[in-house]
Amino acid sequence: GQQVMQIPQYQHVQEGEDFTTYCNSSTTLSNIQWYKQRPGGHPVFLIQLVKSGEVKKQKRLTFQFGEAKKNSSLHITATQTTDVGTYFCAAGTSGTYKYIFGTGTRLKVLA
Amino acid sequence: DTGVSQDPRHKITKRGQNVTFRCDPISEHNRLYWYRQTLGQGPEFLTYFQNEAQLEKSRLLSDRFSAERPKGSFSTLEIQRTEQGDSAMYLCASEGGKTQYFGPGTRLLVL
Repeated sequence: GQQVMQIPQYQHVQEGEDFTTYCNSSTTLSNIQWYKQRPGGHPVFLIQLVKSGEVKKQKRLTFQFGEAKKNSSLHITATQTTDVGTYFCAAGTSGTYKYIFGTGTRLKVLA
Repeated sequence: DTGVSQDPRHKITKRGQNVTFRCDPISEHNRLYWYRQTLGQGPEFLTYFQNEAQLEKSRLLSDRFSAERPKGSFSTLEIQRTEQGDSAMYLCASEGGKTQYFGPGTRLLVL
């Protein structure tokens, strides 16, 4: 079955450093979504990417969808303590509204 | 506040008992999803509804799990003959504009 892996599993950074998480699917995707889950909270939608090679920015966050639509990345510039949490990608495929969530990257930001 | 509510928020039960969880989605959303999340893992897809129709169910889901959305509004998830391995957070999400809005979850502990 479809697998969605994220690396790294954990990342500790000093406040102000950059952070990147990568999401890789075993199959071609129709779209990919990114979510953030704070400790003790529920996933919160960040963005959806649909087009091959698409790049979207939200303030310090940059999201990219690979040309082959099998991978994606989330890059945070100059991390802040408010960026702490686990970042999940969620993969969508054609013919279904089901999403497969990745394994997540847990970010800790040291002040 | 995402507008999706779940009840109860916490449930402790003994092995072998049946439990039922309720999800009230955002009122205008047609699609409703159930996920299960264990510590350190991403949300695992269980099933989803389009209005009252259950369109897809995870093959990993045993026959002890059943979900309904009788009038296309609220949904219930029932687990029969609970096992200790069922202990997890059960998340509900409703979808509007291709964005999933998650509820706070029901944390189940099976003793």
